[in-house]
Amino acid sequence: DVVMTQSPVSLPVTLGQPASISCRSSQGLLHTDGSTYLHWFHQRPGQSPRRLIYKVSDRDSGVPDRFSGSGSGTNFTLKISRVEAEDVGVYYCMQVTHWPLTFGGGTKVEIK
Amino acid sequence: EVQLVESGGDLVQPGGSLSLSCAASGFTFSSSAMSWVRQAPGKGLEWVLSIFPSGRTYCVDSVKGRFTISRDNSRNTLYLQMSRLRVEDTAVYYCAKGHWGDSWGQGALVTVSS
Repeated sequence: DVVMTQSPVSLPVTLGQPASISCRSSQGLLHTDGSTYLHWFHQRPGQSPRRLIYKVSDRDSGVPDRFSGSGSGTNFTLKISRVEAEDVGVYYCMQVTHWPLTFGGGTKVEIK
Repeated sequence: EVQLVESGGDLVQPGGSLSLSCAASGFTFSSSAMSWVRQAPGKGLEWVLSIFPSGRTYCVDSVKGRFTISRDNSRNTLYLQMSRLRVEDTAVYYCAKGHWGDSWGQGALVTVSS
């Protein structure tokens, strides 16, 4: 199975400052069809997850442009250019290239 | 607007069975892959099963032979049949559109305890 490792586990941030979350996979996520199926999700306390980014860097509809995704191969990053209060919660990466599908362990973002 | 509404969550004894349903609306259900993802209390997300429009299914090893995913396209409903439940199956079970997690339901709590 592909192991997804996120860091840091906890990320205290100051409002208005940038934040960055790393996700590394134990195997390359480039699919034979040429796409890389690495997605990012955000889960606010007490809510269901919501997808933010799909295929490494494509933002979902309604996702603010302060969120961006990048990476290739086995190393991926989610960046928030300026953290807002509504960005608190847990962020998960997920790979959909290989079965079984796997999530990272999560990164908890909180305001300092 | 995509809507996914899970139902059927309950308290069940170890070794017991339970079925969950997910009523879908706002998209062409029959053309969409669907998935179940679970989250144990205070823990992260775990993908469990997916079913494609063809009927092909995939599941995580820990539920193989115990959990079954199915769909009724005439009712726009996804099902999860769980048997031989274990304490470690205790979780909120989310229904998700696609196997990419496009949209999620609010979740159904399954508690396995004696």
